[in-house]
Amino acid sequence: QKEVEQNSGPLSVPEGAIASLNCTYSDRGSQSFFWYRQYSGKSPELIMFIYSNGDKEDGRFTAQLNKASQYVSLLIRDSQPSDSATYLCAVGMSGGSNYKLTFGKGTLLTVNP
Amino acid sequence: NAGVTQTPKFQVLKTGQSMTLQCAQDMNHNSMYWYRQDPGMGLRLIYYSASEGTTDKGEVPNGYNVSRLNKREFSLRLESAAPSQTSVYFCASMREYYEQYFGPGTRLTVT
Repeated sequence: QKEVEQNSGPLSVPEGAIASLNCTYSDRGSQSFFWYRQYSGKSPELIMFIYSNGDKEDGRFTAQLNKASQYVSLLIRDSQPSDSATYLCAVGMSGGSNYKLTFGKGTLLTVNP
Repeated sequence: NAGVTQTPKFQVLKTGQSMTLQCAQDMNHNSMYWYRQDPGMGLRLIYYSASEGTTDKGEVPNGYNVSRLNKREFSLRLESAAPSQTSVYFCASMREYYEQYFGPGTRLTVT
């Protein structure tokens, strides 16, 4: 059973701070890693993806991957109230020609003005 | 370019009724997916289609059927709705390298 674990939160940070979201996964064969943002009542929106060990930066967002520790994280710098949402970690692994994602249950982030 | 569209946005059914949720994408993606999202359970895969003409079961397929009508369209059918199928249903399509893009969702209530 492939599992993706996230702290459900809520994680509360003040405006301007760094928010750190964490995710662990069980399947060592996992090949790709994603972070989705989901506002209440809306659909998940892809914000970051990472395939190789190390860091990947995009604006205020940095994804970090450590395959040896089976750990992926998302850092949000200069957090804004508009970042308040649930963040879903997703892990992908191919099975022949079939590509599926396994999602964590999400971490609720609240950024306080 | 509309991305992934879903109809209807909301639906209320009585137990035992049937309905079909429609999904279409205009991004020329091969793979399409149906998920349900319940509080505390996260996103769970119901069925997926890796390419036109193929479908496979996901994690929670019982009570559902799917049809990949063509490359653009992938429908989800509930033959005899049950209260346990009350949920938010999302359709997604996948670009290369596992990047999935979601539709706006259908909120289904079964009474």
